Amino acid sequence: DTGVSQNPRHKITKRGQNVTFRCDPISEHNRLYWYRQTLGQGPEFLTYFQNEAQLEKSRLLSDRFSAERPKGSFSTLEIQRTEQGDSAMYLCASSLVVVGTQYFGPGTRLLVL
Amino acid sequence: SQQGEEDPQALSIQEGENATMNCSYKTSINNLQWYRQNSGRGLVHLILIRSNEREKHSGRLRVTLDTSKKSSSLLITASRAADTASYFCATDAGGSETSGSRLTFGEGTQLTVNP
Repeated sequence: DTGVSQNPRHKITKRGQNVTFRCDPISEHNRLYWYRQTLGQGPEFLTYFQNEAQLEKSRLLSDRFSAERPKGSFSTLEIQRTEQGDSAMYLCASSLVVVGTQYFGPGTRLLVL
Repeated sequence: SQQGEEDPQALSIQEGENATMNCSYKTSINNLQWYRQNSGRGLVHLILIRSNEREKHSGRLRVTLDTSKKSSSLLITASRAADTASYFCATDAGGSETSGSRLTFGEGTQLTVNP
């Protein structure tokens, strides 16, 4: 049984560049979540999907952020025109609707120079 | 202040002692979950307690939930050096009891267990 996987694990980019992260959830899980965590803080919710439908987006998810889950399996999170304030750990989680427990991946650490 | 505030912010104990961490929240919830995070890594799910439950056990972990006080506690018994990590509580206040929604995390408790 493989858990949630995320790629890449680390990303260094220059300000103004676009970046894309990928999340592969646990195979039978129909919900997929994105969170962001900065140093010394707890994770903050960004958005979540049920199958391919994006059900909720946080106000943290500015116009520069977009997330997709085109076939209800893996998801991508894209950040356009990155800013230094986007530097953080981006965490993905998945769950079964009827259970509620969210299982997290190892995260993608983004550093914007 | 945030939903899901942990107390204390930092806790240092000796191996073999018990560690208790508390969490307070502000809104009604469907469930509350505790997670552990080792430095720079992803979160590991420890235990989920539903709003109609008062206490749950899992190995050396004991979680209580008091919805009237909007608070929860996590007790780790007979602590080990490997328990050193940050511990977060997270509340799920959306959907229904059987439908997970967004989690709201606190800032966590940093637990250090000295050998």
